[in-house]
Amino acid sequence: DTEVTQTPKHLVMGMTNKKSLKCEQHMGHRAMYWYKQKAKKPPELMFVYSYEKLSINESVPSRFSPECPNSSLLNLHLHALQPEDSALYLCASSLRTSVSTDTQYFGPGTRLTVL
Amino acid sequence: AQRVTQPEKLLSVFKGAPVELKCNYSYSGSPELFWYVQYSRQRLQLLLRHISRESIKGFTADLNKGETSFHLKKPFAQEEDSAMYYCALINAGNNRKLIWGLGTSLAVNP
Repeated sequence: DTEVTQTPKHLVMGMTNKKSLKCEQHMGHRAMYWYKQKAKKPPELMFVYSYEKLSINESVPSRFSPECPNSSLLNLHLHALQPEDSALYLCASSLRTSVSTDTQYFGPGTRLTVL
Repeated sequence: AQRVTQPEKLLSVFKGAPVELKCNYSYSGSPELFWYVQYSRQRLQLLLRHISRESIKGFTADLNKGETSFHLKKPFAQEEDSAMYYCALINAGNNRKLIWGLGTSLAVNP
C-alpha cells in the first residue's frame, strides 16, 4: 500500500457537534502531519507527530485535538468548530529518517463544512 | 528568514508552448526543494525533488544556487498540465517543516 488514505471525504457538521477525521498509511512512515488548506492557498501546517509523539503544534485552537494511536493511524478530533474552520483538511506522512530527504506524501483530504 | 516566492499567481499558455513556473527561495545553507502539483479535485502530489534530478510528466527543475531559484520547466505544455503548482522548501532544522510558496495556477489553453 503506497498511499495515504483519509476518511471521510466530506463532512458537514454543526458548531456544537463532535466529529473525527481519520488518516491511515501503511508505508512504514514515522512522521504524520495535519494540514488545513483553504481554496487556492498552500497548506497550513497544524500538527506533526514524529514516532507517535506530538512534535509540533502550530498554535492550533483547542477545538482541534490530534491523536496518534499507532504508527499507521492519525486522528483529528473536532469539537465546537466555527464556520471559518471550513476547509480541506489534509493528512501527510513521511519516512522521517535523520539522513534522507523527508518527502511528504499527502492524502486526498477531508472537505469540512461547518454550519 | 526562510521564504519561498512564486511571483506569478496565474500563468496562461497555449497547448504546445513552453512553460516556466518561477520559484525563488531565501535560505541559509543547502536547501531541499520540491515541486508539488494539485490537479482539480485531486490530492496534492509530489512532482519533483531537486535531489532526484528526474523528469516527471516532461517537467524538469534545476536548482540554481547563484540565483536562488528552482524554476519548473516543460518544453511543450499539454492541457492536462492545467493545475495549481506549489514550490516548497524543507526547513533543515529539527522540525523539518515545509515552507510553501503561494502557488501558481497554470492554465493551458487549447
